[in-house]
Amino acid sequence: AQSVTQLGSHVSVSEGALVLLRCNYSSSVPPYLFWYVQYPNQGLQLLLKYTSAATLVKGINGFEAEFKKSETSFHLTKPSAHMSDAAEYFCAVSALNTGGFKTIFGAGTRLFVKA
Amino acid sequence: SQTIHQWPATLVQPVGSPLSLECTVEGTSNPNLYWYRQAAGRGLQLLFYSVGIGQISSEVPQNLSASRPQDRQFILSSKKLLLSDSGFYLCAFLPGQGRTDTQYFGPGTRLTVL
Repeated sequence: AQSVTQLGSHVSVSEGALVLLRCNYSSSVPPYLFWYVQYPNQGLQLLLKYTSAATLVKGINGFEAEFKKSETSFHLTKPSAHMSDAAEYFCAVSALNTGGFKTIFGAGTRLFVKA
Repeated sequence: SQTIHQWPATLVQPVGSPLSLECTVEGTSNPNLYWYRQAAGRGLQLLFYSVGIGQISSEVPQNLSASRPQDRQFILSSKKLLLSDSGFYLCAFLPGQGRTDTQYFGPGTRLTVL
């Protein structure tokens, strides 16, 4: 069974500051991990994913995430926030089951960027 | 390339009226298909998923239903809408009979029930 927890439903940063969005997961099998971004009234867009290759994953828009098995974490970071990063971010965990991949999404973290 | 379409983009319906939301996928065969709902300020709630034509699994009890009349078509329906059905509905697919790892999402439908 899998689960995912996103710490903090809202995160606020100043423009140019570090962005850190936290995600912890649990999985009984080797997980696949994802970060999605959702802009208002739009669908979810894949930012990056971890699939058992390099533990540091680089995604679009300057975001990256590091898979830490010992901490069961997959936190999302960006060195310098931009106003356009304001959106909702979802962490997800997926694992291969008998019926194919099953994906569980976190509750989401809304990122606010202050000028 | 693989694409996913949803319509309508927005919908305002009175309580008790019927509902039909449509989702179609292009560029892949035998995808797994999903319907999610986002209520205001809440995360994604999986409503239904389908691994093949006519095969529907429901994740939560509700007055909604889903159908998959064709391989790449997924429909969300209701006979009588409730106020609590308001939300943002997202369709998603997993290419390749669900054996790939990444879900791709449609643009969503904003449903307001008055």
